[in-house]
Amino acid sequence: DQQVKQNSPSLSVQEGRISILNCDYTNSMFDYFLWYKKYPAEGPTFLISISSIKDKNEDGRFTVFLNKSAKHLSLHIVPSQPGDSAVYFCAARRVTGGGNKLTFGTGTQLKVEL
Amino acid sequence: GAGVSQSPRYKVAKRGQDVALRCDPISGHVSLFWYQQALGQGPEFLTYFQNEAQLDKSGLPSDRFFAERPEGSVSTLKIQRTQQEDSAVYLCASSVGTGVAKNIQYFGAGTRLSVL
Repeated sequence: DQQVKQNSPSLSVQEGRISILNCDYTNSMFDYFLWYKKYPAEGPTFLISISSIKDKNEDGRFTVFLNKSAKHLSLHIVPSQPGDSAVYFCAARRVTGGGNKLTFGTGTQLKVEL
Repeated sequence: GAGVSQSPRYKVAKRGQDVALRCDPISGHVSLFWYQQALGQGPEFLTYFQNEAQLDKSGLPSDRFFAERPEGSVSTLKIQRTQQEDSAVYLCASSVGTGVAKNIQYFGAGTRLSVL
């Protein structure tokens, strides 16, 4: 049972344009969401997070949007740069009563082309 | 060190062998996590320590998997009698504490285990 889903395995975007990565979840008990970026042969690197009490969080070129009613979140990267090419994982956590483990999606491979 | 360190980076084992994977968390981090990442999948939770206490081991796939953190710092994930389905990247993560703001998990580069 995949509780966190990333339905697009890959995404290709031109440099300077917006990249939008999507994530859906099924467990309504999740109340904290994170995005991680992963380069080959490296571990996932934390990018940005959002609590369920917010609907938007912004950090430089990265913005995460949360739609609780739709159980959907998205990561926007503007403008996209070649160095953003990586696999992006969406992750979710239950802060209350769920321990501290992260539940990950299967990832989206982003390729930013020149 | 500056980040989470895992060793070895690569491990090849014959089916039936025992393996031990090591994780050095970020200094001062209370929480430590192990995840298993199969090819083409996201990381899947195995187990979690707060200091030396193993608070959650619900993700360990079988009793062949065992983890310890005896002094609340370095952790070892041991897999006994390895099987081909154990082939995966094993990721270790650590975090400062358990509050929301302090519980960002920082990952090591992982150990790639191949069981032949």
